[in-house]
Amino acid sequence: EAGVAQSPRYKIIEKRQSVAFWCNPISGHATLYWYQQILGQGPKLLIQFQNNGVVDDSQLPKDRFSAERLKGVDSTLKIQPAKLEDSAVYLCASRWTGSSYNEQFFGPGTRLTVL
Amino acid sequence: QQQVKQSPQSLIVQKGGIPIINCAYENTAFDYFPWYQQFPGKGPALLIAIRPDVSEKKEGRFTISFNKSAKQFSLHIMDSQPGDSATYFCAASGDSGYALNFGKGTSLLVTP
Repeated sequence: EAGVAQSPRYKIIEKRQSVAFWCNPISGHATLYWYQQILGQGPKLLIQFQNNGVVDDSQLPKDRFSAERLKGVDSTLKIQPAKLEDSAVYLCASRWTGSSYNEQFFGPGTRLTVL
Repeated sequence: QQQVKQSPQSLIVQKGGIPIINCAYENTAFDYFPWYQQFPGKGPALLIAIRPDVSEKKEGRFTISFNKSAKQFSLHIMDSQPGDSATYFCAASGDSGYALNFGKGTSLLVTP
């Protein structure tokens, strides 16, 4: 079974530029999460989707971050404009809704550096 | 505010030793407690998880101990190996797909 795919793996941009990340969850996983992991810290939720609907975006900085999940499968996360403090690894995770456990499977992440 | 507090921040043990990582939580609504292992450049990988209806769970060399009254849980790695050197994160959540609340992580180094 293929895991969660993310691209690009690395991105370097200058502040005030825009950037987009892509995630393809495990096939059949209806729940998709985007987490932000700042160096030396644990991942922190940005947004959660159930199919193509948003479940929780309370911690998403909506003035600069946006996300969508078209057709309930792939998802994109966008930052516009980027700030220095957005430098982090952006992790996508997915979960099979039918699981009795809250098992979330993570992709390799996209490491963003904002100069 | 940090909902899950993890300690120590870093840990060095010799091969064969038993590193222990501790976590504490406040929210009594949490009922799912996983541990994730993360290698440099990789995403976190689920290692083992427990629910509060049991006090201990063992999978291979990894054991979770859970103390519901103290709102604490810990990870023990038996017969640790250099290949176990990684960052370990505890997490907690409510059930049914809620987002995971992670600790800050413990960097483990197992020396030969």
